Amino acid sequence: AQTVTQSQPEMSVQEAETVTLSCTYDTSESDYYLFWYKQPPSRQMILVIRQEAYKQQNATENRFSVNFQKAAKSFSLKISDSQLGDAAMYFCAYKTGANSKLTFGKGITLSVRP
Amino acid sequence: NAGVMQNPRHLVRRRGQEARLRCSPMKGHSHVYWYRQLPEEGLKFMVYLQKENIIDESGMPKERFSAEFPKEGPSILRIQQVVRGDSAAYFCASSPFPGTQGGSYGYTFGSGTRLTVV
Repeated sequence: AQTVTQSQPEMSVQEAETVTLSCTYDTSESDYYLFWYKQPPSRQMILVIRQEAYKQQNATENRFSVNFQKAAKSFSLKISDSQLGDAAMYFCAYKTGANSKLTFGKGITLSVRP
Repeated sequence: NAGVMQNPRHLVRRRGQEARLRCSPMKGHSHVYWYRQLPEEGLKFMVYLQKENIIDESGMPKERFSAEFPKEGPSILRIQQVVRGDSAAYFCASSPFPGTQGGSYGYTFGSGTRLTVV
């Protein structure tokens, strides 16, 4: 069974600094996708960034980028120039190409210090 | 585009009552997914529906839970005879294509319904 592990329950970053959130996953599939979702206090689940496993190039979306290490099954999220609005829970998620389910990690609470 | 709309946002039920949670997908989306989030946990898949069809219900509890997505109207997640352990946030997501085809886009989620059983 596929699993997603986020071992850090909380992290804190100074405003304007860079922070990296860790995620590892376990799968025997070759066709899969990885995601980071943000959940602010409003509870809305917002897609931050996605990565296709067949792509070697790391995905980037403005201040958000990933470090995708396929052999190590690691998928970390880097947030550059952190802003107060980045404070939220962040969930790492996994999906195979042949299945409709997203499998989520337990999430990490990110706080941003002004 | 109003996004994925879920209502009510908060729902309080007494033990033994029924809870009905509604989800209107984004315009043009005909695939709906329900997830449950327990306190301090990530979201757990419950069921995947297309219009008038249940495609994958492997995450649904065997008893008391049911879901539908009629030809007209919102998708409904129904919980009969609620118990305290059903207290959670229930999220709906939608997509314009089958969840089994690719998936690099992820899904669009609603803001969830927080169910509290007292």
